[in-house]
Amino acid sequence: DQQVKQNSPSLSVQEGRISILNCDYTNSMFDYFLWYKKYPAEGPTFLISISSIKDKNEDGRFTVFLNKSAKHLSLHIVPSQPGDSAVYFCAASANSGGYQKVTFGIGTKLQVIP
Amino acid sequence: DTGVSQDPRHKITKRGQNVTFRCDPISEHNRLYWYRQTLGQGPEFLTYFQNEAQLEKSRLLSDRFSAERPKGSFSTLEIQRTEQGDSAMYLCASSLGSAGHEQYFGPGTRLTVT
Repeated sequence: DQQVKQNSPSLSVQEGRISILNCDYTNSMFDYFLWYKKYPAEGPTFLISISSIKDKNEDGRFTVFLNKSAKHLSLHIVPSQPGDSAVYFCAASANSGGYQKVTFGIGTKLQVIP
Repeated sequence: DTGVSQDPRHKITKRGQNVTFRCDPISEHNRLYWYRQTLGQGPEFLTYFQNEAQLEKSRLLSDRFSAERPKGSFSTLEIQRTEQGDSAMYLCASSLGSAGHEQYFGPGTRLTVT
């Protein structure tokens, strides 16, 4: 049972345009959401996060939006750059016996075309 | 801060052999996690340590898998009697319990069981 769903396996965007990566979740106990970026042959790298009590968090070119009623979040990258080409994992965490247990989606491969 | 390191980066073994992987977390991080990632999937939680105590294990962690974190520093993950289904990327992550929810990943150990 996929509690965190990324329904688009891949996305291609022109350099300079906006990239929008989407994520849906089913577990209402999730209280924190994160996006990780992964290059080939490397581990995932933390990108940006948002608490469930907020609906937007911005960090430079990256903005995450959270719609709790729809159980949906999205990552916006503006403007997109070729170096952003990577696999992006949506993740969600919930308290599990005193620590935050993180559940990952299957990832969306972003290709930014120069 | 040299980040999370894992050794070896690649391991090829024959079915039935035992393998052991090592993870060195970020030095001040008291929490350490092991994940497994197969092709086309996101990282799946295996186990979690707080200092030297193993506090949670996924049902994915069969009896052939064992993890330790002696002295609350580095950790080892051992797989006994490897099977072809064990072929995957094994990722280690660490975090500081009192800080944010972000986990910092190592580059992973890619296991191939032939």
